[in-house]
Amino acid sequence: GAVVSQHPSRVICKSGTSVKIECRSLDFQATTMFWYRQFPKQSLMLMATSNEGSKATYEQGVEKDKFLINHASLTLSTLTVTSAHPEDSSFYICSAMTGANYGYTFGSGTRLTVV
Amino acid sequence: QQQVKQSPQSLIVQKGGISIINCAYENTAFDYFPWYQQFPGKGPALLIAIRPDVSEKKEGRFTISFNKSAKQFSLHIMDSQPGDSATYFCAATTDSGGYQKVTFGTGTKLQVIP
Repeated sequence: GAVVSQHPSRVICKSGTSVKIECRSLDFQATTMFWYRQFPKQSLMLMATSNEGSKATYEQGVEKDKFLINHASLTLSTLTVTSAHPEDSSFYICSAMTGANYGYTFGSGTRLTVV
Repeated sequence: QQQVKQSPQSLIVQKGGISIINCAYENTAFDYFPWYQQFPGKGPALLIAIRPDVSEKKEGRFTISFNKSAKQFSLHIMDSQPGDSATYFCAATTDSGGYQKVTFGTGTKLQVIP
């Protein structure tokens, strides 16, 4: 089946630094990818929709200058958390549409801890 | 505004029992209703899904019941097993400019005890 590979699975960074998270579709082309944020014991909140070759569409309240999204190819989307702060610590998950029947495949997530 | 309401927040079921999770929605533009299973530290995985023109869908031990007029749908897990212990999210999707935008419920943490 379709696989979405997300890397790294865990990252710890110092406050003020930037962190890049990669999301790759391994055996299919993903024109559109989605980035979610999940706080402990809470639901997934859509942050932005990433479209190959164009600017990402951000949800209301998400700072586009802080969460930089790049979708340079049909198999790779990246999320960069810039100038990270402890409040950015969270579980970040990407997903991609994998079929005509609205199937979505999720990555395994990235646990970001900012210290 | 929570567009998809899910209950209960947590659920404990004995092995072999039936687990039932309920969801309700408001937006009549939703046209696809998937359920996702998430284990700790992992991304969600599609479990089963239904379209609003169908009242029930069954796949193995998992069944979705859908009531379009009431705008409610539910997941039934028959013969629940300890391996089913996970967090379950209902979701609803709607067309958003060429792709389906997914709105998730708040999640139900299921624990199946031996």
